[in-house]
Amino acid sequence: EPEVTQTPSHQVTQMGQEVILRCVPISNHLYFYWYRQILGQKVEFLVSFYNNEISEKSEIFDDQFSVERPDGSNFTLKIRSTKLEDSAMYFCASSEALPIQYFGAGTRLSVL
Amino acid sequence: AQTVTQSQPEMSVQEAETVTLSCTYDTSESNYYLFWYKQPPSRQMILVIRQEAYKQQNATENRFSVNFQKAAKSFSLKISDSQLGDTAMYFCAFMGAGGTSYGKLTFGQGTILTVHP
Repeated sequence: EPEVTQTPSHQVTQMGQEVILRCVPISNHLYFYWYRQILGQKVEFLVSFYNNEISEKSEIFDDQFSVERPDGSNFTLKIRSTKLEDSAMYFCASSEALPIQYFGAGTRLSVL
Repeated sequence: AQTVTQSQPEMSVQEAETVTLSCTYDTSESNYYLFWYKQPPSRQMILVIRQEAYKQQNATENRFSVNFQKAAKSFSLKISDSQLGDTAMYFCAFMGAGGTSYGKLTFGQGTILTVHP
């Protein structure tokens, strides 16, 4: 069964460093998303992406964040200068047609 | 803005028994979708069941069923014949069917379900 793949599973970085989290959505899907889950808290929407542009973003998704679909298969989330409070589990999701979204296993980001 | 509330931080059940997880939500939208996602220790988010608000019939998927009460804005999940593999965090989630909330999932706080042998 096709699945959303996220790499790495765990990323450790120093505060102030740039990180790129990578996702390979399901191949025929057109809608892409990033969500964040701080440990012990609820899953929060960050951004949605369709037709090579951001369609919706939350207040969390400030200028430090960016998303890109650099080729036909990858979907990336970049955090320009990481802060301690960016430590969280980051989930990528994709959908062929709304409303069902399929999630990856997540990347745990640890900012030291 | 939409809100989703899960008032049970933790629940436990004996294997083979039935358990119900509660969820309430608040929205001004008339058409929307509701979901239950399961997050086992592996952290993968897995869709368990979904309900379209315009459908009066409650959704069922094998051992999983929902009790959707639109007027009360309540969406509970019933798990029958609980299995050890059902042990996970369960999230209730809302998605509006139009406007800026379409495509954006709003999650509740989650309920940790433990199934005991």
